[in-house]
Amino acid sequence: AQRVTQPEKLLSVFKGAPVELKCNYSYSGSPELFWYVQYSRQRLQLLLRHISRESIKGFTADLNKGETSFHLKKPFAQEEDSAMYYCALSAHGGSQGNLIFGKGTKLSVKP
Amino acid sequence: EAGVTQSPTHLIKTRGQQVTLRCSPISGHTSVYWYQQALGLGLQFLLWYDEGEERNRGNFPPRFSGRQFPNYSSELNVNALELEDSALYLCASTPGLGTRGEAQYFGPGTRLTVL
Repeated sequence: AQRVTQPEKLLSVFKGAPVELKCNYSYSGSPELFWYVQYSRQRLQLLLRHISRESIKGFTADLNKGETSFHLKKPFAQEEDSAMYYCALSAHGGSQGNLIFGKGTKLSVKP
Repeated sequence: EAGVTQSPTHLIKTRGQQVTLRCSPISGHTSVYWYQQALGLGLQFLLWYDEGEERNRGNFPPRFSGRQFPNYSSELNVNALELEDSALYLCASTPGLGTRGEAQYFGPGTRLTVL
């Protein structure tokens, strides 16, 4: 079964500390993985996708097929990073174009 | 460029009623996705339309249905509303089928409350 697991509901760190938001997936094919972010009172928006191997707002994520993980990392957290973060899997191919989301991790960066 | 728009913003209905939610995708996008974000359940996929056809549906009962119009806008209909249908309904769009690693662009959502 296709599944995305984000084990932490809430992650609280101090400003300047490193951040790692965990994401594990279950999918037998070749997955497309994404991180979406939702800031307070804003719509859900794309943060990054594994296929483009980009770094956005200092965040990076590496796909580890052996561990079936796609953890989101940032070396130095900022207060403006406080938001809800969702890991998502696209079961691309065949008839499925929808995203499968994890339940999200709320990141709180304290001053 | 305008993003994905949804209407109405909020809606209050009573059990047993029917509701229609609307979504306009980004100009040029042909695929529209509907998701339900219920408290404690996260984002769950409802329906996917592309070029006017239903391409896939999630694990929801048939009283959840929809359609896509020739201008690619979409409606989500929910019949015989139940209390557990109370949720934020999100619409997303993409340019269409085929592009690997394509991101979905989300609207602000419609908050449905069923009393």
